[in-house]
Amino acid sequence: DAGVIQSPRHEVTEMGQEVTLRCKPISGHDYLFWYRQTMMRGLELLIYFNNNVPIDDSGMPEDRFSAKMPNASFSTLKIQPSEPRDSAVYFCASSLAGAGNTIYFGEGSWLTVV
Amino acid sequence: KQEVTQIPAALSVPEGENLVLNCSFTDSAIYNLQWFRQDPGKGLTSLLLIQSSQREQTSGRLNASLDKSSGRSTLYIAASQPGDSATYLCAVRQGSRLTFGEGTQLTVNP
Repeated sequence: DAGVIQSPRHEVTEMGQEVTLRCKPISGHDYLFWYRQTMMRGLELLIYFNNNVPIDDSGMPEDRFSAKMPNASFSTLKIQPSEPRDSAVYFCASSLAGAGNTIYFGEGSWLTVV
Repeated sequence: KQEVTQIPAALSVPEGENLVLNCSFTDSAIYNLQWFRQDPGKGLTSLLLIQSSQREQTSGRLNASLDKSSGRSTLYIAASQPGDSATYLCAVRQGSRLTFGEGTQLTVNP
């Protein structure tokens, strides 16, 4: 399997613009996670899905952030409008259900909002 | 709320040295604990996963231990190499939520 695939790898956008980050989880995985990594706050869980259904979005910072998972092989994280403080690395991860299963991370989307 | 702490924040050692990275967590009701490696500009690579019922896991030169009752885990790296230089993160899983420590930045000098 190709692993968790994220796009774009890098994006620079102007404040106020809409940003859409994309993720393809590992085939067959039940869970999909979106994390954000910054120097100040480390890795934070934003939202996760189980079988395409959002389970916990308590980490989503504001209403400007939204995430969808229309099918088992695709998810998006959208920021509208974007702000400079949203600059971070956004990781998508997936796993099978069960305590013994590893969570696999994508390479991340490096977002800079200027 | 689960809190995960890693000590030290940074570590620099000469090649060949054995070393220990530490991770502590506040809530012992965990499903598992994972150690990850992150290289600059890259994602996280899982190194070892220890289930809550296990005491340790080994992979090559890496050995991770778990003492759930005291809320501690260690990652032991034997005979360190320059290629081991990276940031090492531990994460504890409760339900479907994974809580990360801040990481230990390791530099192995040739």
